[in-house]
Amino acid sequence: NAGVTQTPKFQVLKTGQSMTLQCAQDMNHNSMYWYRQDPGMGLRLIYYSASEGTTDKGEVPNGYNVSRLNKREFSLRLESAAPSQTSVYFCASRGPEQYEQYFGPGTRLTVT
Amino acid sequence: AQKITQTQPGMFVQEKEAVTLDCTYDTSDPSYGLFWYKQPSSGEMIFLIYQGSYDQQNATEGRYSLNFQKARKSANLVISASQLGDSAMYFCAMRSVAYSGAGSYQLTFGKGTKLSVIP
Repeated sequence: NAGVTQTPKFQVLKTGQSMTLQCAQDMNHNSMYWYRQDPGMGLRLIYYSASEGTTDKGEVPNGYNVSRLNKREFSLRLESAAPSQTSVYFCASRGPEQYEQYFGPGTRLTVT
Repeated sequence: AQKITQTQPGMFVQEKEAVTLDCTYDTSDPSYGLFWYKQPSSGEMIFLIYQGSYDQQNATEGRYSLNFQKARKSANLVISASQLGDSAMYFCAMRSVAYSGAGSYQLTFGKGTKLSVIP
């Protein structure tokens, strides 16, 4: 099992450009999450999906959209990137009978 | 609203000694859970230990134990016999019901403590 995978690992964008961060899990988990990690801020929840076909906003959703494509995949889209979105983005998933979330390796995004 | 506070930005510990990383929390939910995650310099988030609010005994996982004091709202991580590989950022997090009440749990994280193990 690969667990939770994220692509790309690194990305540099110019202000105003768009991109999609991809996340997939092979653990048959229902719940999936997107977090961002900024220096000195810990991780903050952007969006989550409790199950296939549902998505909800977290603490910091502005400037982002998400798609739960199927049970395995949960993507995060930046429509018009801004320097304030420079961060490390983590995807996570959780099984129905579990409390712990399993994290992907992260995507380091820089917006210039 | 849920809040996690980690007051130690950085800690040093001698190899083979024990170290305690502090975590206090605030919530109005009657049912919640506390986690500790480790983030080494390579960047991945590694789950260490979990304590439910109704668990009678403190959680232990190998060299990790969680000192849960419900009345004081604290959930400190104790690492026994520190190793060089324990040098990392450590995050305390709390499980809570989703904002929308959709039944999905979410995690609220503290800002982390950077642990450095000295040979």
